[in-house]
Amino acid sequence: DQQVKQNSPSLSVQEGRISILNCDYTNSMFDYFLWYKKYPAEGPTFLISISSIKDKNEDGRFTVFLNKSAKHLSLHIVPSQPGDSAVYFCAASARRTSGSARQLTFGSGTQLTVLP
Amino acid sequence: DVKVTQSSRYLVKRTGEKVFLECVQDMDHENMFWYRQDPGLGLRLIYFSYDVKMKEKGDIPEGYSVSREKKERFSLILESASTNQTSMYLCASSPGQGSQRRYEQYFGPGTRLTVT
Repeated sequence: DQQVKQNSPSLSVQEGRISILNCDYTNSMFDYFLWYKKYPAEGPTFLISISSIKDKNEDGRFTVFLNKSAKHLSLHIVPSQPGDSAVYFCAASARRTSGSARQLTFGSGTQLTVLP
Repeated sequence: DVKVTQSSRYLVKRTGEKVFLECVQDMDHENMFWYRQDPGLGLRLIYFSYDVKMKEKGDIPEGYSVSREKKERFSLILESASTNQTSMYLCASSPGQGSQRRYEQYFGPGTRLTVT
């Protein structure tokens, strides 16, 4: 039972164009969402996040949109660059009672390829 | 910058062997996590710890145990390795509730474990 789903395993985009990566979730208790980027042979690195009380968060070329009613979020990269080629993971967090730990539930990832 | 290090990048073990994966973080983070990453499945949480000597099961704890004797170190133990434990293992840490970055997890580079 996947609570966080990334339905597109791969996406190819031309350099300079917009990349849109999508993520759906089912658990209404999630209150914080994150995007991670992963290069081969490296650990994931945090990219951008959004609280459930917002519908948009922007950081440079990266914007995350949250549609709570549809339980959907998306990551927009504009303009896309070849260095953006990586696997992108969507993750969601719900409040827990165990200490201060915030467990993340990850999607299966989308491989983005930006073509020069 | 947060640094999370893992003891090995690549490891090959035989079925039935006891395997130790070590993780160290240098940012005095309260929380530490162990994930495995498999193609098409994303990152799945094995165990996490929110304090020294405290641990909780994640989504797939079967066949694994953990140890946290010091705040900076979190070990994953495979008591009797099996071929279905061949995977990429990722360690992560996160700060406590008082931090603005409490939702973010910082990952190590991963250990590629092969069990033959």
